[in-house]
Amino acid sequence: SQQGEEDPQALSIQEGENATMNCSYKTSINNLQWYRQNSGRGLVHLILIRSNEREKHSGRLRVTLDTSKKSSSLLITASRAADTASYFCATDPRDSSYKLIFGSGTRLLVRP
Amino acid sequence: DGGITQSPKYLFRKEGQNVTLSCEQNLNHDAMYWYRQDPGQGLRLIYYSQIVNDFQKGDIAEGYSVSREKKESFPLTVTSAQKNPTAFYLCASRDKSGGDKNIQYFGAGTRLSVL
Repeated sequence: SQQGEEDPQALSIQEGENATMNCSYKTSINNLQWYRQNSGRGLVHLILIRSNEREKHSGRLRVTLDTSKKSSSLLITASRAADTASYFCATDPRDSSYKLIFGSGTRLLVRP
Repeated sequence: DGGITQSPKYLFRKEGQNVTLSCEQNLNHDAMYWYRQDPGQGLRLIYYSQIVNDFQKGDIAEGYSVSREKKESFPLTVTSAQKNPTAFYLCASRDKSGGDKNIQYFGAGTRLSVL
């Protein structure tokens, strides 16, 4: 069951610009996570935000969480060509036993 | 890709054949997962295991089987009953001692194609 839906599906920006991607989900969660996937590779965990947190920062990443709207956003500031990848949100549902539900992903292209 | 090794990187299956994808981790993690990823899509859970000798079906378990005889290993067999096996398969593990954190660590994946 796909819970997270991401928007946009694809995003193309110039190096140095900010990239924002959004994630919506359906049920109550323990936390929400963002992962990155380079083409043809596995996923790498980027950042986790708990359900009682509203904003979190890690380097050039900023994540927000609005549990009333069941939505999250990931902002990558001052993007670089190396940020080109697919980004997935994953929710840790309250009613599920250690399973993550992944969204469909946003494909980000950062043009040099 | 951390301490999770998936092999082979590429695999080809003939009609009617069962194939097994290997996943080994040296992270001492209790829980392990298998996901299927179709082109341009997210991940769908096939099977997961939270402890040795125990595993549960995920959302798309039909046509797949797993075993968990050792903590380090969680092989996935794609059986002939899986009629559309062409996909990218990802194995992941999680440290259950991480408390409420459910961060998963992924292997580099196996790309399975049908001949």
